[in-house]
Amino acid sequence: GAVVSQHPSRVICKSGTSVKIECRSLDFQATTMFWYRQFPKKSLMLMATSNEGSKATYEQGVEKDKFLINHASLTLSTLTVTSAHPEDSSFYICSAVRGGATGELFFGEGSRLTVL
Amino acid sequence: AQSVTQLGSHVSVSEGALVLLRCNYSSSVPPYLFWYVQYPNQGLQLLLKYTSAATLVKGINGFEAEFKKSETSFHLTKPSAHMSDAAEYFCAVSLSGGYNKLIFGAGTRLAVHP
Repeated sequence: GAVVSQHPSRVICKSGTSVKIECRSLDFQATTMFWYRQFPKKSLMLMATSNEGSKATYEQGVEKDKFLINHASLTLSTLTVTSAHPEDSSFYICSAVRGGATGELFFGEGSRLTVL
Repeated sequence: AQSVTQLGSHVSVSEGALVLLRCNYSSSVPPYLFWYVQYPNQGLQLLLKYTSAATLVKGINGFEAEFKKSETSFHLTKPSAHMSDAAEYFCAVSLSGGYNKLIFGAGTRLAVHP
């Protein structure tokens, strides 16, 4: 099956620093990727839709200046948490669409961010 | 607006027993519905999906789900639980009618004991 990889799988950073998380589709091209945030023992919350070559579309309540998304190529989307604070600590999961607008969705293995 | 409700945040069954995980949805348009499984510190894996074809959908690992429009339900079942089924299960509905932009339920943690 299709593989989506995230890096790093775990990251610990100090408050006020920025952290970049990568999401790669390893064996297919993805014009669309999604970023989700999962709080402990909670469900996944859609943060934004990442479109290759254009600006990301953010869901209501998600700060676009806090969570910078770049989708510079058909196999890579990055999420940068800027000026991270402890409340940004979470599990971030990306997904990539294979096969166009109604294509199948594949999820990365997630990245756990801990902000001290 | 679409939404998903999963009844029971924790379900515990004995190995070999029936697994029933409940999911009810709300959608203003014919929904696409999904069940995903998540193992600890991993991403999500698709178990099965309903896309307006057959109402009884068979998925991987012996799981199946039945779409019941009258009950707005899409419950997940497996006749005989295995220890390896212990995981978090998420029901999801598609916003756009396709596979991609999903709204997830809160999840149900399945425990399987000997």
